[in-house]
Amino acid sequence: GAVVSQHPSRVICKSGTSVKIECRSLDFQATTMFWYRQFPKQSLMLMATSNEGSKATYEQGVEKDKFLINHASLTLSTLTVTSAHPEDSSFYICSASPRSNQPQHFGDGTRLSIL
Amino acid sequence: QQQVKQSPQSLIVQKGGIPIINCAYENTAFDYFPWYQQFPGKGPALLIAIRPDVSEKKEGRFTISFNKSAKQFSLHIMDSQPGDSATYFCAASAGTASKLTFGTGTRLQVTL
Repeated sequence: GAVVSQHPSRVICKSGTSVKIECRSLDFQATTMFWYRQFPKQSLMLMATSNEGSKATYEQGVEKDKFLINHASLTLSTLTVTSAHPEDSSFYICSASPRSNQPQHFGDGTRLSIL
Repeated sequence: QQQVKQSPQSLIVQKGGIPIINCAYENTAFDYFPWYQQFPGKGPALLIAIRPDVSEKKEGRFTISFNKSAKQFSLHIMDSQPGDSATYFCAASAGTASKLTFGTGTRLQVTL
């Protein structure tokens, strides 16, 4: 089945650091990937839609200069949290679908902790 | 218009019981309604999904009931097991592979 992989699974870093999270579709190509954020005991909130070869589409209230998204190939999207602060600590999850008529598959998430 | 409301927030049932989780939506453009199961520290995994052209779908122990006129859908878990203890999210989208709007989640605990 369709597999989506995220790396790293966990990262702890100091305030002010920029952190890059990778999302890969392992056995299919994805022109579109989605990035979600999930705070403890809360639901998943869509941050942005990552489009291969073009700019990402950000949801209302998400700072595009804070959360940089690059989708340079059909199997890789990256989310960079720039100048991270403790309030950016969260669980970041990506998803992708093999085809337009198939459901999304989610990665196992990246736990980001900013000290 | 974009919200998906989910209830209850938490649920405790005994082994063999049938937990029921309910969701309601407002956006009539939604045409795909999946349910996801999430264990701590993991991403959500697709359980079952339904489209508005059917009123019920069953896969194994999981059943979705869908009421298009009321804009409501629910998940039933038959013969629940302790291994079903997890957080369950309903979701909705306009298109199968389109961005999802998630419900608030239901923490299910199945006791022995």
